[in-house]
Amino acid sequence: GAVVSQHPSRVICKSGTSVKIECRSLDFQATTMFWYRQFPKQSLMLMATSNEGSKATYEQGVEKDKFLINHASLTLSTLTVTSAHPEDSSFYICRVGSRSTEAFFGQGTRLTVV
Amino acid sequence: DAKTTQPPSMDCAEGRAANLPCNHSTISGNEYVYWYRQIHSQGPQYIIHGLKNNETNEMASLIITEDRKSSTLILPHATLRDTAVYYCIVLEYGNKLVFGAGTILRVKS
Repeated sequence: GAVVSQHPSRVICKSGTSVKIECRSLDFQATTMFWYRQFPKQSLMLMATSNEGSKATYEQGVEKDKFLINHASLTLSTLTVTSAHPEDSSFYICRVGSRSTEAFFGQGTRLTVV
Repeated sequence: DAKTTQPPSMDCAEGRAANLPCNHSTISGNEYVYWYRQIHSQGPQYIIHGLKNNETNEMASLIITEDRKSSTLILPHATLRDTAVYYCIVLEYGNKLVFGAGTILRVKS
């Protein structure tokens, strides 16, 4: 299956700063990647669909100006949390899409905003 | 919204089979049933998927009822490392996986 590498695994940042999370598909050319967010003891919530070479599609209620997604190549998508606040503290997970086979997730990034 | 319902939690004795049920009564003809699991603070891990027929792989078996309105994931010999949240997902809009609350499976020695 596809190998998905997500970096960093953990990050602590100060309120008001921006944080970039990278998702790399190591052995699969991903035209589509997905970003999820998971708060403690809750399920994964889809935030946005990242499309290579075009704008991301955001789910209802997700602020596109706050969560900037860039998918400039077939192997890399980035999620930038801009002007982070404590309520943005969460577990962020990327996923490589695959229509006819199983999907593969990154290891996740634990963001803590202090 | 998730199109599946699962029990919130289940316990299973180590070495015994774990049978995790899932209801998906509104599933449409072209939608697959996928199972994932998530061990604490990790990304979800694919387990198995199926459309109509029962499926088996090295991790688990998937039993889908004839009317496709429900399914059961079977872990034949549960170990402590199988303790996780198990998600039953009906694939909609192509790749758009929507996660429900899942079932917390606790395997106990």
